Amino acid sequence: DAKTTQPPSMDCAEGRAANLPCNHSTISGNEYVYWYRQIHSQGPQYIIHGLKNNETNEMASLIITEDRKSSTLILPHATLRDTAVYYCIVRVGGGYQKVTFGIGTKLQVIP
Amino acid sequence: DAGVIQSPRHEVTEMGQEVTLRCKPISGHDYLFWYRQTMMRGLELLIYFNNNVPIDDSGMPEDRFSAKMPNASFSTLKIQPSEPRDSAVYFCASTRANTEAFFGQGTRLTVV
Repeated sequence: DAKTTQPPSMDCAEGRAANLPCNHSTISGNEYVYWYRQIHSQGPQYIIHGLKNNETNEMASLIITEDRKSSTLILPHATLRDTAVYYCIVRVGGGYQKVTFGIGTKLQVIP
Repeated sequence: DAGVIQSPRHEVTEMGQEVTLRCKPISGHDYLFWYRQTMMRGLELLIYFNNNVPIDDSGMPEDRFSAKMPNASFSTLKIQPSEPRDSAVYFCASTRANTEAFFGQGTRLTVV
């Protein structure tokens, strides 16, 4: 799997959009960008994934650059419950497989 | 479905004792993963099973660690003998083909 780089921490005001960046310059053509999050004391939770087109679901939006070397996870209206560690992972698609989680980005939503 | 169920939620044991962590995957899921999480090393994959068969145990730190999956609804992770550096949160996750994984609530292990 390709390596990813994320900032270790970010703050976001409650109600504002949280934009979490991820660099994956060595991504291969068949690899997807996946995002997970881990709320304190819980197991990781899948958020969203994409190949090259922008994606949106009820939780978040995923913007992938045209060259696919970076992406941004957007939480449109962050709430205190969005405070968590967010992991960006690059891997082949087709369901969950052996996944290596990095350190991720600790997002703190501030009231 | 109740989700992935792990037990116990918390375990405190003395160094040298045997520790057994348990996991019940979601019914119908044929993949099961064991992870360990510490502040220093983050979330590490230890081992995973497919159809009750261990596929990759390259993440198991040493011979003191062993994992079994005797049937589709139960798996154990055993540490014998336990050491203080084994203190961590251990997560179990399950999935089936073309779906995402669901994680349990974890077992917080403290070895004193």
